[in-house]
Amino acid sequence: GAGVSQSPSNKVTEKGKDVELRCDPISGHTALYWYRQSLGQGLEFLIYFQGNSAPDKSGLPSDRFSAERTGGSVSTLTIQRTQQEDSAVYLCASSFGFGGWTEAFFGQGTRLTVV
Amino acid sequence: EDKVVQSPLSLVVHEGDTVTLNCSYEVTNFRSLLWYKQEKKAPTFLFMLTSSGIEKKSGRLSSILDKKELFSILNITATQTGDSAVYLCALNTGTASKLTFGTGTRLQVTL
Repeated sequence: GAGVSQSPSNKVTEKGKDVELRCDPISGHTALYWYRQSLGQGLEFLIYFQGNSAPDKSGLPSDRFSAERTGGSVSTLTIQRTQQEDSAVYLCASSFGFGGWTEAFFGQGTRLTVV
Repeated sequence: EDKVVQSPLSLVVHEGDTVTLNCSYEVTNFRSLLWYKQEKKAPTFLFMLTSSGIEKKSGRLSSILDKKELFSILNITATQTGDSAVYLCALNTGTASKLTFGTGTRLQVTL
C-alpha cells in the first residue's frame, strides 16, 4: 500500500478483555516495529520483526502481550486481559532492508482506551 | 543500556525565531540517527544521519551529527506555527536494528 495502515484507529475496551491491533506495512518492507506511547511520553519499543528471523520481543512489558507477523507482511499485536495501564497509542512502523540503514515509516496508530 | 536524551524537553518561541534542538546518546553498535516530527499520532520522518559533519537540509530544517561527541542537532530557521510539534530523535543500534527513541522536544511556535 501507499503507507503503513493500522486498524482500528481507536479502540475502547473493558478491563479484562482481549484486544487485537492490526498493522499492514508498506509493501516490500521487510522490517516491522511496534511501539507504545502513553500520554505525554516517548515511544516505548515493544517488538521488532525482520524478514524470517526470530522477532526481538525484548520490549514486551508482560506475557499478556504477544505479536505475530504472518507471511512476512501483516502483523497483529494481541493484548490479553487488558489493564488500565495498557491505555496508550500503539504505533506500527516498517522499513525496507536490514541493518539500520533505511528510515522507518509510521502508521497513524491505534488509540487504546481500557475502561 | 542504550540511552537517547533530548533537550530541551519543551520550548516556546515566536514565529520567525531560529531554534536548535539537541539529541545526545550513549549506544552500542551505532548505525544511524533519525529525526522525526510528531504532530498528532504518527511520527513523520525528517532526516537520517550516518556520518559525522555532513549536514542534511530540507527547506528551513537542517541537521548534523557529531559521532565523536555523540550528539546531533536539529535546526529550524524562520519558524512558523506549523512547526509546532514534538520532535523525536531515534537511534538505530545493535544487531536487531531496533529504533531507540528519546522522549522528544515539544516545540510551540506562537504568533
